[in-house]
Amino acid sequence: KNQVEQSPQSLIILEGKNCTLQCNYTVSPFSNLRWYKQDTGRGPVSLTIMTFSENTKSNGRYTATLDADTKQSSLHITASQLSDSASYICVVGGRDDKIIFGKGTRLHILP
Amino acid sequence: DGGITQSPKYLFRKEGQNVTLSCEQNLNHDAMYWYRQDPGQGLRLIYYSQIVNDFQKGDIAEGYSVSREKKESFPLTVTSAQKNPTAFYLCASSDLLVSSYNEQFFGPGTRLTVL
Repeated sequence: KNQVEQSPQSLIILEGKNCTLQCNYTVSPFSNLRWYKQDTGRGPVSLTIMTFSENTKSNGRYTATLDADTKQSSLHITASQLSDSASYICVVGGRDDKIIFGKGTRLHILP
Repeated sequence: DGGITQSPKYLFRKEGQNVTLSCEQNLNHDAMYWYRQDPGQGLRLIYYSQIVNDFQKGDIAEGYSVSREKKESFPLTVTSAQKNPTAFYLCASSDLLVSSYNEQFFGPGTRLTVL
């Protein structure tokens, strides 16, 4: 069964600290993996997209990694800011155009 | 200013009434999608369309209907047959080119509350 599991479900860190969010998937055949940021009450916004051949991609303070062998991805946030408070959603695309969404990790940044 | 828009942002409906949510995009994308988002759950696909005048059911289409008369517009009607319609509704669009990997761009969402 195609699934995308994210952990932790929620995370609280102090402003300025780093954090890492995890995403494990069982989607096959695999095409790509994306991380989205969703502010409360808003639509998701794309952060990174990686294909099978890519194992890391950065977007400012956000760095995503992908291990296609173990079917794991992580999103690392460096020097967190209050504006990083949001839900982060991992989305896996299959080569059959199937798109599977994770439930998201809710990140809270405290001043 | 290119993008995808949804209206209204908030919508209230009485039980038994149909209501239509608007979604418009000026990105020239072929594909459009409607998702429903509930607390603690991932996005669930309601309907999608890859070409004008054609659309397919997603995972939770019961109680919903759509139309795709124009490339840029994909309205969603929530009918009285939908038993639990209170949710946050997201519209998305994507370019079907292989090089884009079907990356979806989302609208700001409509929060529907049934009173």
